[in-house]
Amino acid sequence: ETGVTQTPRHLVMGMTNKKSLKCEQHLGHNAMYWYKQSAKKPLELMFVYNFKEQTENNSVPSRFSPECPNSSHLFLHLHTLQPEDSALYLCASSQEGGLAGHTGELFFGEGSRLTVL
Amino acid sequence: AQKITQTQPGMFVQEKEAVTLDCTYDTSDQSYGLFWYKQPSSGEMIFLIYQGSYDEQNATEGRYSLNFQKARKSANLVISASQLGDSAMYFCAMRPPGGGTASKLTFGTGTRLQVTL
Repeated sequence: ETGVTQTPRHLVMGMTNKKSLKCEQHLGHNAMYWYKQSAKKPLELMFVYNFKEQTENNSVPSRFSPECPNSSHLFLHLHTLQPEDSALYLCASSQEGGLAGHTGELFFGEGSRLTVL
Repeated sequence: AQKITQTQPGMFVQEKEAVTLDCTYDTSDQSYGLFWYKQPSSGEMIFLIYQGSYDEQNATEGRYSLNFQKARKSANLVISASQLGDSAMYFCAMRPPGGGTASKLTFGTGTRLQVTL
C-alpha cells in the first residue's frame, strides 16, 4: 500500500453533478489536508483536519464539502461546481504534535484531476 | 502572512551538472520551516529536504542540499549530478511556527526543471 491513496485519479463532471473525491492514508498520521493546484498558481490550502476535527477552512466555497470520518480517511464532496474549479486536487497527511525537531512534512497522494464541463 | 517566491518558471540543466533553484520567502516569524518538494508528471508531491530556521548548518539529503541564507531570506535548492529522472516541477514551501498545529504549508509557484542529455 502506498502512503496516501487518492481516488479517482481523473474525474469529469458537469456543473449539476454531485461527486466525491476520496483519500486514504496508511501512515498512521493524525492530520489530513486538501490542497487545490491550478495551472500557474501556487498550491492553495483548502481544508485541514487535525484528529478528525476541521481546523482550517480557507474561505472555500460551500460547493466543496469535506468529510473526515476517521483519521485515515478524507473525502471532498463536490456539487454544482464551476468550470474554474477544474484543477488537480491533492490530499496530504502529516503527523502533528510529535517530538521536538520533527519536520512535520506533508505526505501527498498523486491527486485527483478534476475537469468541470 | 507568509509568502514564497520562485522567480524561475523553467530551468534547463545538462545531465551530470549541478543546478540551483531559487526560493525567497517573506515572513515576520522568527521560527519557521522551509521545505522543497518535487512533483513529477504523475502528480504526487515528493518531499525532498527540510531546513529549520534555527538550524545552523545547511540541510543535505543525498544529491540535494539547501543553501539557506537567513539574512537574505533565501532557501535555494541545489541538485548535484543531475539525472534525467530529476525532470519535474520543484516547489519551495514554508511552515509557520506553532508546534502541535497542523502543517499549513505555503507554497511557491514552482520551477519546472528539464534535464537534457
